[in-house]
Amino acid sequence: AQSVTQLDSQVPVFEEAPVELRCNYSSSVSVYLFWYVQYPNQGLQLLLKYLSGSTLVESINGFEAEFNKSQTSFHLRKPSVHISDTAEYFCAVSGPRSYNTDKLIFGTGTRLQVFP
Amino acid sequence: NAGVTQTPKFQVLKTGQSMTLQCAQDMNHNSMYWYRQDPGMGLRLIYYSASEGTTDKGEVPNGYNVSRLNKREFSLRLESAAPSQTSVYFCASSDKGAGTDTQYFGPGTRLTVL
Repeated sequence: AQSVTQLDSQVPVFEEAPVELRCNYSSSVSVYLFWYVQYPNQGLQLLLKYLSGSTLVESINGFEAEFNKSQTSFHLRKPSVHISDTAEYFCAVSGPRSYNTDKLIFGTGTRLQVFP
Repeated sequence: NAGVTQTPKFQVLKTGQSMTLQCAQDMNHNSMYWYRQDPGMGLRLIYYSASEGTTDKGEVPNGYNVSRLNKREFSLRLESAAPSQTSVYFCASSDKGAGTDTQYFGPGTRLTVL
């Protein structure tokens, strides 16, 4: 069975600084990987996902994540954060790729707090 | 186009009371999901419905029942509420299944069981 570990429960950072939110997954088979974001008092929204192809995936608001199969990681990065990026970020995994799967396994979340 | 809607937004129950959380989506999606979100535990899947007429248990189904009333609506019922069910509940939908497809979430229901 798959599992997801988000190593940091909270990440404080100043505006315009770079940030990395770490995510490691545990699976013996190939999987699909996602990052979802939850702004205060809202539901989750998809930020980006890796299904196949290029291991570097990008979102429309400047975040990127790189699938690293050897390290079983899918870390989320942004070179310069804004106050508006303050939110909780969830890494999620589904799979195995050989099956049709309808379910995601979510990590416990990382709260990104951006300070002015 | 409202996306995924949930009612009610807030609810307070006493132990042993019952209630139904309602969820509807207007995107003609096949799959629908119920999650609960607790501090430090992320989102955990309660039940899901891969298509109209089917439902399956997720990670934490005990104490809950669901009904996929039609393609649009997926309700979650607590027959006898317990304090351990105090949580924020999210409904979500996706077209081809959350495994590869984007899930769209509702705004959530904050439930407190006293």
